[in-house]
Amino acid sequence: QQQVKQSPQSLIVQKGGISIINCAYENTAFDYFPWYQQFPGKGPALLIAIRPDVSEKKEGRFTISFNKSAKQFSLHIMDSQPGDSATYFCAASREGYSTLTFGKGTMLLVSP
Amino acid sequence: GEEVAQTPKHLVRGEGQKAKLYCAPIKGHSYVFWYQQVLKNEFKFLISFQNENVFDETGMPKERFSAKCLPNSPCSLEIQATKLEDSAVYFCASSLTTVNSPLHFGNGTRLTVT
Repeated sequence: QQQVKQSPQSLIVQKGGISIINCAYENTAFDYFPWYQQFPGKGPALLIAIRPDVSEKKEGRFTISFNKSAKQFSLHIMDSQPGDSATYFCAASREGYSTLTFGKGTMLLVSP
Repeated sequence: GEEVAQTPKHLVRGEGQKAKLYCAPIKGHSYVFWYQQVLKNEFKFLISFQNENVFDETGMPKERFSAKCLPNSPCSLEIQATKLEDSAVYFCASSLTTVNSPLHFGNGTRLTVT
């Protein structure tokens, strides 16, 4: 049973456009939702994270939107740049537990 | 150190051989996690430690996989009698606590079983 479903699998966006990646979770005990960015040959790096007490969190060009009732959250990358080309993973965990359950990843390509 | 250091970067083993991977967490971090990333990008949780104690081992295939985190030594993940399906990138991550504390990942060890 896949607990965090991520879509799309891949995404091509023009430079300056908005990249949107969606995730849905099943386990209502999850209360921490991070997004990780991974470049080839590197480990994933935390990009931004949200907890269910807020519906949106913004850090620079990156925004997480969270819908608790729908059990969905999404990453928006505004003004996408070629340097944003990477694989993005959503994840979820329970407070005090830290073990992350990852989505299957989205390969983002931002064309110049 | 300021980064999670994983060694070796690459490891090639014949089927049935033993593989041992090492991880030095960020200094001061109490929690260490091991994840397996297979070809299609999916991350599978294996095991976590709180200092030298196993914290969560629900993902660990216990027949051939074992792991340790001993004081003053890098943590290790050992696979006895490797199989072709063990080929993957193994990531180690560390965190300060389990509350409000992000995971910091190393760059992984790519294990190829031939």
